[in-house]
Amino acid sequence: AQSVTQPDIHITVSEGASLELRCNYSYGATPYLFWYVQSPGQGLQLLLKYFSGDTLVQGIKGFEAEFKRSQSSFNLRKPSVHWSDAAEYFCAVGVTGGSYIPTFGRGTSLIVHP
Amino acid sequence: GAGVSQTPSNKVTEKGKYVELRCDPISGHTALYWYRQSLGQGPEFLIYFQGTGAADDSGLPNDRFFAVRPEGSVSTLKIQRTERGDSAVYLCASSLAAGGVETQYFGPGTRLLVL
Repeated sequence: AQSVTQPDIHITVSEGASLELRCNYSYGATPYLFWYVQSPGQGLQLLLKYFSGDTLVQGIKGFEAEFKRSQSSFNLRKPSVHWSDAAEYFCAVGVTGGSYIPTFGRGTSLIVHP
Repeated sequence: GAGVSQTPSNKVTEKGKYVELRCDPISGHTALYWYRQSLGQGPEFLIYFQGTGAADDSGLPNDRFFAVRPEGSVSTLKIQRTERGDSAVYLCASSLAAGGVETQYFGPGTRLLVL
C-alpha cells in the first residue's frame, strides 16, 4: 500500500522569504501526487497535482512542486511567501488505475511571521 | 457556483447516541467521498460513491458506520452507538467523475464531538 511522509510538523518563515515543504511517498509504480491547502474553517483546496509528463508542476497561488522519482519526493515550493499563505498543507498520493483514493500525509503547519 | 456543503458544521453528542452527517455535493458531480480527519492528522478515507452505489467502503472502521446516497446527490453518513474515539472532523468531497485525473472538491467539514 502507498504511504506519504511529511517530515515537518511545523514550518516558520518570514513574509517574503522562500518556502519549501517536504513530501516523500512510498509506492511501487508512478503515483498520482497532490498538494492541498487547508485554512481554518475551510475545506481542503487543491494547489496542484502531478500525473505524468513534466516533473515540475505549476499550481495556484504561485506554488510549484517537483516530482523526483529517484528521491520519491514531491516537494512544494514558493519563491516568496505571503501572510495569507499561513495554513495547513497536505501532500497526498494516489495509485494509478483502479478506483483511486488518495492517501494523505499528516500535514505541515505553515506559520508566517511579518 | 455553490461548492460542497456539509451540515451541521458542529455536532456534540453523548456516547452511545446515533448521529447523521449530511453532505451536499456540487451539482452534477457523480462521485462523492467521505473522509475522517483526526486532530493533527491528514484526512483518512472512509467510503466513496459513484452515483447511488458505494463503490469502495473499505475505509469504514466498523459496522457502526454506514453511508447512503439514495438519489445520487446528497449523502448521509450515519454513526450508531457513538464512541469518544469517533470525535473528529468528517469531510466530504465530490468530483465530476471517479478516477485519478478528477479533482476532488472538499466541503468545510462537520466537527463531531462525542462526550
